[in-house]
Order: sequence, then C-alpha cells, then structure tokens
Amino acid sequence: DQQVKQNSPSLSVQEGRISILNCDYTNSMFDYFLWYKKYPAEGPTFLISISSIKDKNEDGRFTVFLNKSAKHLSLHIVPSQPGDSAVYFCAASTILNTGFQKLVFGTGTRLLVSP
Amino acid sequence: DAGVTQSPTHLIKTRGQQVTLRCSPKSGHDTVSWYQQALGQGPQFIFQYYEEEERQRGNFPDRFSGHQFPNYSSELNVNALLLGDSALYLCASSLSTGKRTDTQYFGPGTRLTVL
Repeated sequence: DQQVKQNSPSLSVQEGRISILNCDYTNSMFDYFLWYKKYPAEGPTFLISISSIKDKNEDGRFTVFLNKSAKHLSLHIVPSQPGDSAVYFCAASTILNTGFQKLVFGTGTRLLVSP
Repeated sequence: DAGVTQSPTHLIKTRGQQVTLRCSPKSGHDTVSWYQQALGQGPQFIFQYYEEEERQRGNFPDRFSGHQFPNYSSELNVNALLLGDSALYLCASSLSTGKRTDTQYFGPGTRLTVL
C-alpha cells in the first residue's frame, strides 16, 4: 500500500528553467510534509517542509505547495541549476499515539538539470 | 560538527548469515531511526530508538533487531539473511523535542548485498 506516490520517476530540465516535482498521498492523517534530496553515495538531505495548516512555504529557490483537498504537493525549483541534479523524495508525517513521528517516503523522482 | 556516520560502507554476506550495522548520530541528537531502501524505492521505516529503547517499529520481521547505547549510537542487527534483505540501510538521527520540526538527518548508508 503506497501511501505516498511520486508518479514521475525522472524529470529533465534545462538550467535556468523551473523544475516542478509532484507528490500525491492517500492518508488524510498526514499533516506534515517534507522534501529530501539525495545525491549518489550520500544519505537523503532535508530540503524543505510544510505543515498542513499552510498551502505554501518558500526557502530561496525552493517552494513547496500543498493542496489538501487534492492530497497533492509539489516542489518548485526556480531557477534550476545543474547542482540540483539528484533524486528528490517526498515524505509525509503523522504523529502516532506513542508520540512518535512516522515518516512515509515516496519512491523518488530523479531530476536532471542540463546546462 | 560531524554529521551522522555509518559503518561499514559496503558489506557482502551470504544467505543465512547475520549482520550488524552501526550508526553514530549527529552531535546533540538523542534519537536514531533506521530505514531500508531497496533499489528503486523510497526509504522504508524499520524502527526508532530513544532513551535506549525501541520506541516504534515498522512492518519488518523479528529478524531485524536493534540497540541504542548510552552515547546514543545505535546498531541494527539482521539475522538469517535473505536475498531480499539486499538494500541500502540508512540511519537517521534527530533530537526529540516533540515538535513537528524534529528533522531527521540521514547518514550515507550501508550497502548490504546478500548472495
């Protein structure tokens, strides 16, 4: 049961253009969402997050949009740079009755930004 | 400030053997989570340790066990290895404040190959 889905395995974008990475989720209990970036031979690196009480969060070139009614979020990178080439994972979080925050990851989207 | 470190980097085992993976959390962090990332998939939660106890467990068999030491470092043990256990094993550390912003920081992972 894939509760977090990233339906595009890969995305190619030219340097300077916008990259849009999409993520869908099915569990309405998720109330906090994160994006991680992963380079080869490295662990995932936290990029940006958004709470379900917001619909947008910006951090420099990165903006995450959340549409709760559609259970959809997207990550926009503007302008895209070759160094942004990596695998991007969407993750959703919920607090269990133990107080533990559980992260559920999507399968990732490989972004390639060409010069 | 050292980030999350994991050892070994790579490991090759045969079916039926046992393996121990190690993780040192980021300085100041008290919580360690372990994830399994199979090829082409996102990280899947195995379990989380806090105050030397397993606080939460994902959908993994009892062959997967762990431990956390007083210095917050952690071990992941897998017994009776199966071919399907071949994956990248990621350790993530965080500081448990009970807030949504308890971001998990990942190590580079241990690549386990079971032959």
